[in-house]
Amino acid sequence: ETGVTQSPTHLIKTRGQQVTLRCSSQSGHNTVSWYQQALGQGPQFIFQYYREEENGRGNFPPRFSGLQFPNYSSELNVNALELDDSALYLCASSLGQVENTIYFGEGSWLTVV
Amino acid sequence: RKEVEQDPGPFNVPEGATVAFNCTYSNSASQSFFWYRQDCRKEPKLLMSVYSSGNEDGRFTAQLNRASQYISLLIRDSKLSDSATYLCVVNMGYGGATNKLIFGTGTLLAVQP
Repeated sequence: ETGVTQSPTHLIKTRGQQVTLRCSSQSGHNTVSWYQQALGQGPQFIFQYYREEENGRGNFPPRFSGLQFPNYSSELNVNALELDDSALYLCASSLGQVENTIYFGEGSWLTVV
Repeated sequence: RKEVEQDPGPFNVPEGATVAFNCTYSNSASQSFFWYRQDCRKEPKLLMSVYSSGNEDGRFTAQLNRASQYISLLIRDSKLSDSATYLCVVNMGYGGATNKLIFGTGTLLAVQP
């Protein structure tokens, strides 16, 4: 296994609600990135955190926000949920900002109804 | 035009067949290249990195052509266990300061007994 753990594994939310997804990176990894994978699509980069600061962001609106904690674990927060936010949310960790070996967690399945 | 394009398939092949996947990317500044494998409802897992010189790992051979912005994956002697979605991935980075993986939509391979 990759040592990257995510929670919860599955959840259902109602449109307009807020959700927080959590990720514990592999031991010693200081960089965490988040991806959204809609059904039938490849993962889409949301943002990356390095040493508690966001240092790269994809084409996602501000209602997608995140945090990284001193122990390098991370949260993804999504406000004002929309039906199209239904997807698999993947967390990936790496040692360093630019690193070819990136490890994915098993993901959190979010369904918005 | 999508940043990373690949044929979504599905590719239905008999056991023992040789199958080739192709992928093109649009940004010549792309820094590194990979093939990931994703099983149904699971996270993507790194299959292999791709180098201009070509690289081989057992039955798998990957090739990069920077001039044509083209990446390929060849699987020889297909096994039932090779059935999965194969994702072509390009690491864009942000001025070399961020891992930003751009995924293709994936090519579905189904190996038939």
